[in-house]
Amino acid sequence: DAGVIQSPRHEVTEMGQEVTLRCKPISGHNSLFWYRQTMMRGLELLIYFNNNVPIDDSGMPEDRFSAKMPNASFSTLKIQPSEPRDSAVYFCASSLRFSAASESTGELFFGEGSRLTVL
Amino acid sequence: EDQVTQSPEALRLQEGESSSLNCSYTVSGLRGLFWYRQDPGKGPEFLFTLYSAGEEKEKERLKATLTKKESFLHITAPKPEDSATYLCAVQAGYAGNNRKLIWGLGTSLAVNP
Repeated sequence: DAGVIQSPRHEVTEMGQEVTLRCKPISGHNSLFWYRQTMMRGLELLIYFNNNVPIDDSGMPEDRFSAKMPNASFSTLKIQPSEPRDSAVYFCASSLRFSAASESTGELFFGEGSRLTVL
Repeated sequence: EDQVTQSPEALRLQEGESSSLNCSYTVSGLRGLFWYRQDPGKGPEFLFTLYSAGEEKEKERLKATLTKKESFLHITAPKPEDSATYLCAVQAGYAGNNRKLIWGLGTSLAVNP
């Protein structure tokens, strides 16, 4: 399996521009997560989906952030308008079992991340 | 408030010099504690899951242990390729938290040849 695939790997943009990050989870995984990682705050969960349905978006910083999962093999995270404080590495991860009703191994498979720099 | 604290922030070892990394946590109803390894420019990679106090897991030179308040990641005779950031995360078991993982900031390990 190719693993979780994210694009772009690097994005440099100017403040106010729209940014779209993309993720293809591992085939067969039913949970998908978007994380943001910074030196100061570490890994922060932004949103996660089970079976393409958003379960918890309480980590989304504000209305400028939105995420969609139109099907089991694709998700996007959009920032509009972007601000310098959004600069971070954004990770997508997928998991086979992470529903509240089932035992979870806690094993998430992460992509290589998208490094976003907003000037 | 649920919290995970890792120490030390950074650790430098000589090849073959064994040591331990610490992950202390405060959480209501631990459902599981997880260790991940992260190499520079990569996403975290899963290592272990521990569910209850007294449990131990091993993988090559790594051994993870769990008590009611903390977990240790013991590294025996480390090699330069063990250099990475090691992340700890916990999952609370109480209803309503959507089973989110709470992450520590990690320990950056450097093993010199």
